[in-house]
Amino acid sequence: GQQLNQSPQSMFIQEGEDVSMNCTSSSIFNTWLWYKQEPGEGPVLLIALYKAGELTSNGRLTAQFGITRKDSFLNISASIPSDVGIYFCAGHSGAGSYQLTFGKGTKLSVIP
Amino acid sequence: NAGVTQTPKFQVLKTGQSMTLQCAQDMNHNSMYWYRQDPGMGLRLIYYSASEGTTDKGEVPNGYNVSRLNKREFSLRLESAAPSQTSVYFCASAGYHEQYFGPGTRLTVT
Repeated sequence: GQQLNQSPQSMFIQEGEDVSMNCTSSSIFNTWLWYKQEPGEGPVLLIALYKAGELTSNGRLTAQFGITRKDSFLNISASIPSDVGIYFCAGHSGAGSYQLTFGKGTKLSVIP
Repeated sequence: NAGVTQTPKFQVLKTGQSMTLQCAQDMNHNSMYWYRQDPGMGLRLIYYSASEGTTDKGEVPNGYNVSRLNKREFSLRLESAAPSQTSVYFCASAGYHEQYFGPGTRLTVT
C-alpha cells in the first residue's frame, strides 16, 4: 500500500529559528495536507495543497506541493514556544478514494 | 459551530465489556471516519463512511463495528473490549479531501 515517509522524526530548535520538515511518497498524490497535533488534542488542519508546485502560507507556516507530486514540505519561520507539537503530513491519491495516507509525524520541541 | 464532537472524553473498561463511542459533526460533511492513534504507529483508519447509509472497513477493523446513524452522527462500538484496544480514538469528517478531527476519546482496557 501507499506509505508516507516523514522526516525528521523529531527536532529540537531554539526559539526564533526556522524549521523545515518534509514528506515523501512512493506514489503520486493529488492533495497534500499538513496537520498539527498538540498534547491531548486532535489534529488540526494547517494547510491544504491541491496543485503540483503550489506554495501556500498560513501566517508563519509555508507549505509546498512538490512538482513530482510525490513530496511536500512544511516550513515554519521564526519559531515560538506555542509551535510545539507533532506535525503530520497526509496525502490523498485522487478520485474513487475517500481515505488519506498519513505520515508518522515530526515532533517539534522549541527551547525558549 | 462546534465542528466535530466526541463523547466520552475518557473511558476505562474491563476486558470483555462493551461500549459505544459517539461522534457528531455540524459541518454538513458527507464522509466520516474513525481512527485509532497509538505511540509510534501514527493514525490508523478503523472504519469510514463515505456517505449516509454506507460504511467500509479501513486498515484495522477487527474488533469494532460502526453505525452511520444519520448524516451528522457516526458511532464506533467495541462489543468485547480487549487490552489491545487501549488507544486514543479520533473521529473525523470531510466534505472533500480535507478531514477535520474531533478532540479524541482516551480508552483504557484493563
